[in-house]
Amino acid sequence: GAVVSQHPSRVICKSGTSVKIECRSLDFQATTMFWYRQFPKQSLMLMATSNEGSKATYEQGVEKDKFLINHASLTLSTLTVTSAHPEDSSFYICSAPEGFNYGYTFGSGTRLTVV
Amino acid sequence: QQQVKQSPQSLIVQKGGISIINCAYENTAFDYFPWYQQFPGKGPALLIAIRPDVSEKKEGRFTISFNKSAKQFSLHIMDSQPGDSATYFCAASRGYGGSQGNLIFGKGTKLSVKP
Repeated sequence: GAVVSQHPSRVICKSGTSVKIECRSLDFQATTMFWYRQFPKQSLMLMATSNEGSKATYEQGVEKDKFLINHASLTLSTLTVTSAHPEDSSFYICSAPEGFNYGYTFGSGTRLTVV
Repeated sequence: QQQVKQSPQSLIVQKGGISIINCAYENTAFDYFPWYQQFPGKGPALLIAIRPDVSEKKEGRFTISFNKSAKQFSLHIMDSQPGDSATYFCAASRGYGGSQGNLIFGKGTKLSVKP
C-alpha cells in the first residue's frame, strides 16, 4: 500500500532554533501534501497544503513565515518550524492523497517539544 | 464552523460488545467518508471508507452505515477487543484522494474496550 515516511518521529529543540520535518512518499508520487497539527486529545487541524513546484496554501491564522513549507519534488515535502517557541510544541502530521483505494495516506507524525 | 460533528467524545465497551460512533456532516458536496484509527503518538491509519452511492460497507469487524438523506454516517465495531482501544476519527472530503481538497475531521472518539 501507499506509504508516507515522516522524520523525525520526535525532536526536542531549544527556543529560537529551527526544526525541519520531512515527509516522503515511498511508492507513489505525491503532487499534494497536507500538513496537520494536533494538540493533545484534540483533532487534526489543517495548517497548509503544499503542491509540488508551487507555493503552499496556508489556512487562516497559520503564520507563513513561521511554518515554511517546501515541496520541491514529487516525493518530498518539508515543514520547517522557524524560531520555535514553546507554544509551537505539538504533534505534526503530513498526509498525501494516493487514490481511492488508499484515499489519504498519513505519516507517522512528529512530536515537537520546544524547551 | 465545524463541518463534521462526531459523538460520543468517549466510549467504554466491554470485550465482545459492539462499539458505535456517529458522525454528521453539513456540506452536501462531500462524497468521501473515511474512518481513521489513531494510537497515541502515531499518525492516523485508514480503517474503512465509503462513498455516498452505497448505504453500508463492511470490512471484517468494521462496518460503516451511511444515511445520505440525514447526512449521517456511523462506524460499528463488532466483537470489540482491547486492542481496538484507540481514538477514532470520522472525516469527509470533496472528491477522494485529495482531488478536490483536504479531509475535514470530526473531533474524535476515545474508545476503551474493557477485558
